[in-house]
Amino acid sequence: GAVVSQHPSRVICKSGTSVKIECRSLDFQATTMFWYRQFPKQSLMLMATSNEGSKATYEQGVEKDKFLINHASLTLSTLTVTSAHPEDSSFYICSARDRQGNEKLFFGSGTQLSVL
Amino acid sequence: GENVEQHPSTLSVQEGDSAVIKCTYSDSASNYFPWYKQELGKGPQLIIDIRSNVGEKKDQRIAVTLNKTAKHFSLHITETQPEDSAVYFCAARWYGSGYALNFGKGTSLLVTP
Repeated sequence: GAVVSQHPSRVICKSGTSVKIECRSLDFQATTMFWYRQFPKQSLMLMATSNEGSKATYEQGVEKDKFLINHASLTLSTLTVTSAHPEDSSFYICSARDRQGNEKLFFGSGTQLSVL
Repeated sequence: GENVEQHPSTLSVQEGDSAVIKCTYSDSASNYFPWYKQELGKGPQLIIDIRSNVGEKKDQRIAVTLNKTAKHFSLHITETQPEDSAVYFCAARWYGSGYALNFGKGTSLLVTP
């Protein structure tokens, strides 16, 4: 159990275009999902907290207009990187918490974004 | 927020030996400490976790110890195998984070045959 599916696993796009990344909890309902960003050989940095049915909470320094987060259901959250630029190239990972109150966080397999 | 320090950044052991990775945290209100294993190009996988009301937890070859007074916790892997080679991250959940985790910088573990 506790499977988080993230799609796509890899995407290459041109500068100025937008990219949508999906994160789904497959066998549990996730009240809260988190989006992290990871640069090569570095740690995971929290970008935002996504709560079902409400606006996401962004960490300091993360542009909410560039990284649009939607958590429309208890099993799906999406991250859209708008007007992507090369500096947005990174590994994006989502995680989800079971609404049953379990504090464990389970992570998706990540999305490698490359902006040309 | 919470600041998590992790050491060492790299660790090389021979197959069959033990590996120990240590982390310290800054917020005494932190109450949940998971460890994740990340293989190249993949998302982190939860391998073990411990809550602040427990001092030690073991799962087969993996164990975690927590010293609340000193604010540090450690991952112990015994009888290491080549497939244990990966990057390991410790994390802490701090009070008021809404279940978000703050991660250490990671330890790249290499187990040589």
